[in-house]
Amino acid sequence: SQTIHQWPATLVQPVGSPLSLECTVEGTSNPNLYWYRQAAGRGLQLLFYSVGIGQISSEVPQNLSASRPQDRQFILSSKKLLLSDSGFYLCANRGGRDNSPLHFGNGTRLTVT
Amino acid sequence: RKEVEQDPGPFNVPEGATVAFNCTYSNSASQSFFWYRQDCRKEPKLLMSVYSSGNEDGRFTAQLNRASQYISLLIRDSKLSDSATYLCVVNLRYSGAGSYQLTFGKGTKLSVIP
Repeated sequence: SQTIHQWPATLVQPVGSPLSLECTVEGTSNPNLYWYRQAAGRGLQLLFYSVGIGQISSEVPQNLSASRPQDRQFILSSKKLLLSDSGFYLCANRGGRDNSPLHFGNGTRLTVT
Repeated sequence: RKEVEQDPGPFNVPEGATVAFNCTYSNSASQSFFWYRQDCRKEPKLLMSVYSSGNEDGRFTAQLNRASQYISLLIRDSKLSDSATYLCVVNLRYSGAGSYQLTFGKGTKLSVIP
């Protein structure tokens, strides 16, 4: 079965600092990968998704970026964090069919101070 | 109309009670529907898919009403361990490359009380 690894689990960063969150997937090849963010008291917001190496689609324009350097690796980055970037960041994998559900990693809780 | 809308709750119910959640969605072309459960400060986990004819998994029953564009989740004989936030998920928007993206409701919080 597939496993999604995310790290770190918790992160506290000052405003203006860079960010790099990593997600790796085991047990599957050529996964469709997603980055979601859940801000306090709000629903899950899709940030980026990727259907393959080097292929990134952005759903929300902001100061975040994503990269997919390897088939089972998905990275979320920022050059300068804002207070509004605080939230719970979740990496997810989804099968290739439209009726496939999402499976999430354990998430990274980011607090920007 | 919001894309996926849920009553935020909280629903406070005694153990053993039956509780139902509804979720409405805006795109009549949506084809895939799910219920997720999210515990406090944890990632969402798939509870069940929702099929056109309705489906049951133990104490949980999911139903789809396409005409009225809503899905429902019924929990019978509530347990303390059912306390969580329940998220409605719909494949709502076509985003190119032949794929529909999943859109999450904000969730309904359930507290089962001893």
